[in-house]
Amino acid sequence: GAGVSQSPSNKVTEKGKDVELRCDPISGHTALYWYRQSLGQGLEFLIYFQGNSAPDKSGLPSDRFSAERTGGSVSTLTIQRTQQEDSAVYLCASSLQRGGGETQYFGPGTRLLVL
Amino acid sequence: GDSVTQMEGPVTLSEEAFLTINCTYTATGYPSLFWYVQYPGEGLQLLLKATKADDKGSNKGFEATYRKETTSFHLEKGSVQVSDSAVYFCGLNQLANQAGTALIFGKGTTLSVSS
Repeated sequence: GAGVSQSPSNKVTEKGKDVELRCDPISGHTALYWYRQSLGQGLEFLIYFQGNSAPDKSGLPSDRFSAERTGGSVSTLTIQRTQQEDSAVYLCASSLQRGGGETQYFGPGTRLLVL
Repeated sequence: GDSVTQMEGPVTLSEEAFLTINCTYTATGYPSLFWYVQYPGEGLQLLLKATKADDKGSNKGFEATYRKETTSFHLEKGSVQVSDSAVYFCGLNQLANQAGTALIFGKGTTLSVSS
């Protein structure tokens, strides 16, 4: 079946502009995660959605970052007033979320470059 | 809070050499442990996992054993191939409210295998 998809695959924007990144999880997966992969920082957790529960936003680096998940499926990560330090690869993952050992399946990522 | 520490790379080996990538963790409770791999130009994918102490995860000739007494999950392979060249990430997640949490990753170890 189809895996996790993300769009766009690459995004170049100017400092101060807003960007939206999209994630389509695997059908039937109730959990959805956003991570950021940047040079020197490794992989950082940003936000986590589980079913209809309130999202875990504990990893968001500032209030310029927000995310929503509509209908328990597609998610959009929005970065407002982008800064150069926001340049990174943004990864989305989903899982069946039956327990702690459940495998998370990652999308190919969106490579964001803020000029 | 929970954390993962893995050996810094890059690790450079000749084909058929033995590989060990060390990973240790700090966590409360009983986390699940994972190794993910990122091949050049590709997304992150699960390599192997272990969900309880003394479990051994294995895949593609790689192995790692969940050692609670030493809080470690070292990755090993007896004979590496050029195709194993990639970045390897050690990670953990917890079980909370009967659901898994986001993954906490180490910073990644780059492996380069030459023929």
